[in-house]
Amino acid sequence: EAGVVQSPRYKIIEKKQPVAFWCNPISGHNTLYWYLQNLGQGPELLIRYENEEAVDDSQLPKDRFSAERLKGVDSTLKIQPAELGDSAVYLCASSLDSTGEAFFGQGTRLTVV
Amino acid sequence: AQSVTQPDIHITVSEGASLELRCNYSYGATPYLFWYVQSPGQGLQLLLKYFSGDTLVQGIKGFEAEFKRSQSSFNLRKPSVHWSDAAEYFCAVGGSYGQNFVFGPGTRLSVLP
Repeated sequence: EAGVVQSPRYKIIEKKQPVAFWCNPISGHNTLYWYLQNLGQGPELLIRYENEEAVDDSQLPKDRFSAERLKGVDSTLKIQPAELGDSAVYLCASSLDSTGEAFFGQGTRLTVV
Repeated sequence: AQSVTQPDIHITVSEGASLELRCNYSYGATPYLFWYVQSPGQGLQLLLKYFSGDTLVQGIKGFEAEFKRSQSSFNLRKPSVHWSDAAEYFCAVGGSYGQNFVFGPGTRLSVLP
């Protein structure tokens, strides 16, 4: 069975430009997470979905970040406009439910220049 | 809100030596505890997890961890380290009520030949 799939793996954009990341979770997993990981640090939660509903987006910078999970399956995370400080790895993870172990994708490494 | 500390930022051990990585958590109820490993440029891989029952849990790659409620700890151990174990290790805590996964800052393991 395929794991969590993220695309693209790498993205380089100029500041003030928009960027989007895509995540396809493991089939049947109801919970989906987006994490931000800065170099040398642990992942920090941006948003958690239970099916289609964003149940915790308290850490999502809503002035520039947005996310959606259509039909409770795939999810996209968007940044508009990107800033230099957004350079990081964006990780998507999924789990059967919010109490289970999370399975992670390979991440998207964003570089803003 | 739950939190995780990993007191050691960087640990260096010789190949064949034993290893213990420390993890302390803060959580108001029964925690679900996890250890993940991240090799350079790779996603996070689950090593082991504790939900309930036996407080000594076995994981993949010869790792084990012991849950000590009285010390709020979940330390990771391995009796004999291999060079391929060099990576970043993250402890994480989740909750039985659907709280988010919270990660510690990580411990970077270096292995000397």
